[in-house]
Amino acid sequence: EAGVAQSPRYKIIEKRQSVAFWCNPISGHATLYWYQQILGQGPKLLIQFQNNGVVDDSQLPKDRFSAERLKGVDSTLKIQPAKLEDSAVYLCASSLTVPGGGDTQYFGPGTRLTVL
Amino acid sequence: GENVEQHPSTLSVQEGDSAVIKCTYSDSASNYFPWYKQELGKRPQLIIDIRSNVGEKKDQRIAVTLNKTAKHFSLHITETQPEDSAVYFCAAFSGSARQLTFGSGTQLTVLP
Repeated sequence: EAGVAQSPRYKIIEKRQSVAFWCNPISGHATLYWYQQILGQGPKLLIQFQNNGVVDDSQLPKDRFSAERLKGVDSTLKIQPAKLEDSAVYLCASSLTVPGGGDTQYFGPGTRLTVL
Repeated sequence: GENVEQHPSTLSVQEGDSAVIKCTYSDSASNYFPWYKQELGKRPQLIIDIRSNVGEKKDQRIAVTLNKTAKHFSLHITETQPEDSAVYFCAAFSGSARQLTFGSGTQLTVLP
């Protein structure tokens, strides 16, 4: 079974620039998550999709972050404009069943973003 | 919302000794508690999990215990090996918040 794929693996940008991250979940997984992991901390949930609908985006800074999962498979997370404090690893995860059940989440390798 | 506290933040043990990492949670509606291992520069990987209807679960050298009354759960690694060195994260899934909240992580170092 192929795992969660993410690209790019690394990205360096200047503050106020924009950046986009891509995620392809495990085939058949209905739920997709984007997490932000700041160095030395645990992952923090940004947004959760069930198929192509948003389940929870309460911790997404909507003035600069946006995400979509148009066909219920791949997802894109965008930051515009980036700030220095956005430097972090952005992790995508997916799980098999619908949210609410506490099912196992499988993580991708992450995208390490550095904002200069 | 859910709050997960994890201790200690760093832990060094001699190879062959046991390691214990403890977490507490605040939301009594939490019902699923996974533990992830993250090696430097790599993705978090699930190593063991436990649900609220079970008090203990074991998988070879790894075990997790859950005390719902006290709202805490622990990871136990026996006969530690150098390859166990990594950051370990606990997490709690809240049925009411419908999301997984992670602890701050424990850097485990197994000294040869």
